[in-house]
Amino acid sequence: GESVGLHLPTLSVQEGDNSIINCAYSNSASDYFIWYKQESGKGPQFIIDIRSNMDKRQGQRVTVLLNKTVKHLSLQIAATQPGDSAVYFCAENVRGYSTLTFGKGTMLLVSP
Amino acid sequence: DAGVIQSPRHEVTEMGQEVTLRCKPISGHDYLFWYRQTMMRGLELLIYFNNNVPIDDSGMPEDRFSAKMPNASFSTLKIQPSEPRDSAVYFCASSFSGGLYSNQPQHFGDGTRLSIL
Repeated sequence: GESVGLHLPTLSVQEGDNSIINCAYSNSASDYFIWYKQESGKGPQFIIDIRSNMDKRQGQRVTVLLNKTVKHLSLQIAATQPGDSAVYFCAENVRGYSTLTFGKGTMLLVSP
Repeated sequence: DAGVIQSPRHEVTEMGQEVTLRCKPISGHDYLFWYRQTMMRGLELLIYFNNNVPIDDSGMPEDRFSAKMPNASFSTLKIQPSEPRDSAVYFCASSFSGGLYSNQPQHFGDGTRLSIL
């Protein structure tokens, strides 16, 4: 029979565009957030993190924004490149706990 | 720097056979996590260790699954007997605690793709 799997939301962009990937979290006690990138055949790779005492953090070509009021997290990628094509996961952590709760992921497709 | 190392990268075996997956965490990390990833369920935490001691194994699906961490640089996840529904990609991740109130990211290996026929 037909297999049913996770239907990942997909964002398709052109090379050079800026990309914004969104994530909603549910636990108001979460105070640490991470974005991971997972390429085909590889494990999730750490991109950037942010603690709840910050609203914004910038890395190389990436910016994470945190809105605690509406429990929303976003990852902005500037000048998106074909090599950025991957599935992106957000993860949240509650202070004092060792485990992460992962979002379902968003697939980013970058066309040349 | 060496990241988390998993072996084998691929494993194909017949149902009923014992499967052993291996993981070497990043040196100095005191937490180790085993995850399973499937299209149906996404990324699921199976078990995690702190200082080689299992802390929470509530994600282990059945008694057929077991995990050990005999020392700080090695962990195994064993499935015995294996079944076709165990087919998935299994990831190991490690992190440094950095103190109770200092969160640190988990770093993942590239996984073992397991196929049970």
